[in-house]
Amino acid sequence: EIVLTQSPGTLSLSPGERATLFCRASQSVSSSYLAWYQQKPGQAPRLLIYGASSRATGIPDRFSGSGSGTDFTLTISRLEPEDFAVYYCQQARTFGQGTKVEIK
Amino acid sequence: QVQLVESGGGVVQPGTSLRLSCAASGFTFSTYAVHWVRQAPGKGLEWVAVISYNGDNKYYADSVKGRFTISRDNSKNTLYLQMNSLRAEDTAVYYCARDGSGSYYLPDYWGQGTQVTVSS
Repeated sequence: EIVLTQSPGTLSLSPGERATLFCRASQSVSSSYLAWYQQKPGQAPRLLIYGASSRATGIPDRFSGSGSGTDFTLTISRLEPEDFAVYYCQQARTFGQGTKVEIK
Repeated sequence: QVQLVESGGGVVQPGTSLRLSCAASGFTFSTYAVHWVRQAPGKGLEWVAVISYNGDNKYYADSVKGRFTISRDNSKNTLYLQMNSLRAEDTAVYYCARDGSGSYYLPDYWGQGTQVTVSS
């Protein structure tokens, strides 16, 4: 079974800064199956990125995904106030443990 | 727009049963696989089960296999999760989510969830 490990656990940044989130798989995975989700308190997850680098419908272009093999990255180029949330990577039926992006 | 609305959650005792429902609208339900994903209090996301568009194929997480049954009624645009022999560790918000991949690996649209609490 593939394990996804996200880092860091918490990222403390200010609005306007760049956020870089990492997701490492325990073995090589197909980029086609790697997705990222955003979840705000009390809300359902929202799909941001699928296929490692494709933005889902309606997702702003400040969100980008990259990576292959075992290492994947979600980048938020300039944090907006609404971007402070928890982010999960996912591969098939496995989710990472999440990275919380909080206001510094 | 795609909408998924879960219902049926509640507080139940260990060892009892509960059936969750998920009403779908805004898309052709009968042509999409659908997932159940849960989230324990303060924890991350855990995939639970998926069912194919026509109900012929069903897959489960090891943690619920043999206790939970996923099913669907395409005439009613509704997904179900029958949960038997409930345990305290099944306490979570349960989300239904449409599969956007066609291959059971991409929950794309999610409902708002229904809370299930298993406690004596």
